[in-house]
Amino acid sequence: DGGITQSPKYLFRKEGQNVTLSCEQNLNHDAMYWYRQDPGQGLRLIYYSQIVNDFQKGDIAEGYSVSREKKESFPLTVTSAQKNPTAFYLCASSPRDENTEAFFGQGTRLTVV
Amino acid sequence: RKEVEQDPGPFNVPEGATVAFNCTYSNSASQSFFWYRQDCRKEPKLLMSVYSSGNEDGRFTAQLNRASQYISLLIRDSKLSDSATYLCVVNLEYGNKLVFGAGTILRVKS
Repeated sequence: DGGITQSPKYLFRKEGQNVTLSCEQNLNHDAMYWYRQDPGQGLRLIYYSQIVNDFQKGDIAEGYSVSREKKESFPLTVTSAQKNPTAFYLCASSPRDENTEAFFGQGTRLTVV
Repeated sequence: RKEVEQDPGPFNVPEGATVAFNCTYSNSASQSFFWYRQDCRKEPKLLMSVYSSGNEDGRFTAQLNRASQYISLLIRDSKLSDSATYLCVVNLEYGNKLVFGAGTILRVKS
């Protein structure tokens, strides 16, 4: 089955530790995105990538880093510099054609204690 | 000004009611528009794309007004199962930069 997979679904980390969230898609999509969602809030764009080996900062990139070494993978690292990392993280992908929808993974709920 | 703004919620409506949401966007060069639905603690899922000519899918109608830079979603004959958060999504530039509105909560009550 084609789709986009995020892992793990729940993640707990101690304050001050870096953590990497996985996002893999087998839809052959060029574009991939990372969003953050806080309780009762909308989605805010962290980073996005339109093509392999290229990515751009979104609205809230500080404290995060990404890589796009392979078309199917777009991991997100939440660094210790992120002041308030506890949130719901959503990864999405879409074809490069701007008129098509984005498909989401099931999300990773990160809790930093 | 935010790139994408939506009506504040929540909207509390009885079953059978008609409810409308609006969403405005700031970039006049935006090319594509979508409405997504998000259930509690789940990922967003596409409800419908929004075309210049408007489009309808059963009880749902979406419209685009480029001159005023807003899109709308109309839900007729609301069902309990329509209760969710509705997210307006705009592709702000060529090459896919998808920006979401903050979402509007809809609660349909019996």
